[in-house]
Amino acid sequence: GAVVSQHPSRVICKSGTSVKIECRSLDFQATTMFWYRQFPKQSLMLMATSNEGSKATYEQGVEKDKFLINHASLTLSTLTVTSAHPEDSSFYICSAKMIMNTEAFFGQGTRLTVV
Amino acid sequence: GNSVTQMEGPVTLSEEAFLTINCTYTATGYPSLFWYVQYPGEGLQLLLKATKADDKGSNKGFEATYRKETTSFHLEKGSVQVSDSAVYFCALSNSNSGYALNFGKGTSLLVTP
Repeated sequence: GAVVSQHPSRVICKSGTSVKIECRSLDFQATTMFWYRQFPKQSLMLMATSNEGSKATYEQGVEKDKFLINHASLTLSTLTVTSAHPEDSSFYICSAKMIMNTEAFFGQGTRLTVV
Repeated sequence: GNSVTQMEGPVTLSEEAFLTINCTYTATGYPSLFWYVQYPGEGLQLLLKATKADDKGSNKGFEATYRKETTSFHLEKGSVQVSDSAVYFCALSNSNSGYALNFGKGTSLLVTP
């Protein structure tokens, strides 16, 4: 149990276009989902926390208008990178947790390349 | 705030050698502690965890003990294999962070035959 599916696993897009990444909890209800970004050979940095039905809480320095997060249901959160630029190329990872559970479960990650 | 410090890599070991990757943390209260592993090109996999002081997490021959007195959660394995080559991340979560994970910088491990 506790499977989180992230899609797509890899995406290449042109500068100026938008890309949507989906994060689904397949066998549990995720009251909270987290989005992380990982630069090459670096650690994961929390971008935002989203609770179902609420606006996401963004970490300092993360542009909320550029990284749109929607958590419309208990099993799905989406991250949309708007007007992507090459510097947005990175590995994006989501995780999801159940209420009253301290452990979060990770998706497989999405490798975004903006050309 | 929360922070995690783990030893810098890369760590290179011969197969069957003993592994220790140090991890210390700063946090209020009693955080949960985790080790995650990331194989090349893949996402994160939970390796083991401990949720209270003196708990020992273990999995696939890896172990780590939650030491409150030294605020540490060192990862150990008695005999590493080539397949253990990966990046290992120490992490913590608590209510202060809304249970988001605070990660260390990661330690790259290379095991040679």
